[in-house]
Amino acid sequence: GAVVSQHPSWVICKSGTSVKIECRSLDFQATTMFWYRQFPKQSLMLMATSNEGSKATYEQGVEKDKFLINHASLTLSTLTVTSAHPEDSSFYICSARGTTSKMGTREGYTFGSGTRLTVV
Amino acid sequence: QQQVKQSPQSLIVQKGGISIINCAYENTAFDYFPWYQQFPGKGPALLIAIRPDVSEKKEGRFTISFNKSAKQFSLHIMDSQPGDSATYFCAASTYNFNKFYFGSGTKLNVKP
Repeated sequence: GAVVSQHPSWVICKSGTSVKIECRSLDFQATTMFWYRQFPKQSLMLMATSNEGSKATYEQGVEKDKFLINHASLTLSTLTVTSAHPEDSSFYICSARGTTSKMGTREGYTFGSGTRLTVV
Repeated sequence: QQQVKQSPQSLIVQKGGISIINCAYENTAFDYFPWYQQFPGKGPALLIAIRPDVSEKKEGRFTISFNKSAKQFSLHIMDSQPGDSATYFCAASTYNFNKFYFGSGTKLNVKP
């Protein structure tokens, strides 16, 4: 089945530093990548949507200069949390939509395994 | 404003019992209603999904019941097993926007 590899699975960083999270589609081409944020015991909140080769579209209230998204290829999208602060600590998850007839449907959306970010 | 409301927040069921999780929505433009299963430290995985043109969909021990007039849908897990212990999210999306709105999640604990 389709696999989205997300790295790192967890990261601890100091306040003020930047952290990059990668999501790679291993066996399909991801035309669209969705980035979510999940606080403990809460639901997934969509942060932004990125299409390959285009600028990401951010949801209301999400700082685009703080959460930089790059989707330069059909197999790789990155989320960089810049100047991280403790309130950015969260679980970040990507979800990919592909180009095939199945992967292009909503049933074909595939989630990465998530990244636990802790800012100290 | 939360587009999809989910209850209960947590659920404890004995092995072999039936687990029922409910969701409600307001946007009548939603046309796809998936349920996701998430284990700790992992991303959600699609469990089962339904479209509003049917009232029920069954896959193995998992059944979605859909009530279009009430704008509600629910997940039933028959013969619940300890391995089903996870957090379950309902979601909804519209065809045009193709993005998902998630419920708040239900943590299911199936006791042996």
